Amino acid sequence: DIVMTQTPLSLSVTPGQPASISCKSSQSLQHSDGKTLLYWFLQKPGQPPQPLIYEVSNRFSGVPDRFSGSGSGTDFTLKISRVEAEDVGVYYCMQTIQVPYTFGQGTKLEIK
Amino acid sequence: EVQLVETGGALIQPGGSLRLSCAASGFTVSSYYLAWVRQPPGKGLEWVSVISNDGTTYYADSVKGRFTISRDNSENTLYLQMNTLRGDDTAVYYCARVWSYWGQGTLVTVSS
Repeated sequence: DIVMTQTPLSLSVTPGQPASISCKSSQSLQHSDGKTLLYWFLQKPGQPPQPLIYEVSNRFSGVPDRFSGSGSGTDFTLKISRVEAEDVGVYYCMQTIQVPYTFGQGTKLEIK
Repeated sequence: EVQLVETGGALIQPGGSLRLSCAASGFTVSSYYLAWVRQPPGKGLEWVSVISNDGTTYYADSVKGRFTISRDNSENTLYLQMNTLRGDDTAVYYCARVWSYWGQGTLVTVSS
């Protein structure tokens, strides 16, 4: 199974400041068709996960442009350019290059 | 508008069976990959199963042989038949239209 490792597991950010979350996979997530199958989700308290980023760097419809994804191969990053209060919750990366699909442990974002 | 509504969660004894339903609206279930993802209380996300638009199915090792994913095109509904339930199956179960839309989840509690 592909292991997804997120760091940090928690972070506390002042509103307006940037935040960054790392996600490393135990194997490359690049498909033979060139796509890299890495997703990011945010789960706000008491809510289902909501999609943020697909294929490393593409925002799902309606996701604010302060969220951006980057990376390749086995190393990926989610960045929030200016954190807002509504961004609190747990962020997960997930790979779908190989069954079983696997999630990172989650990174809890709090506001200072 | 795309909507996914899960039902069927319950308190069930170990060894019992349960069928979860995920009623879809705003799209046709036969045209998309659909998945089940679960979240044990206070823990992270775990992928359970996926069904492709051509009907191919995949399962996490932890549920293989016990759970069956299926869909009813006439009812436009996704199902998860869960047999031989165990305590570690206790979780909120989410259905998702891979991966842009998620339901609100339904709670399955396996306990005597």
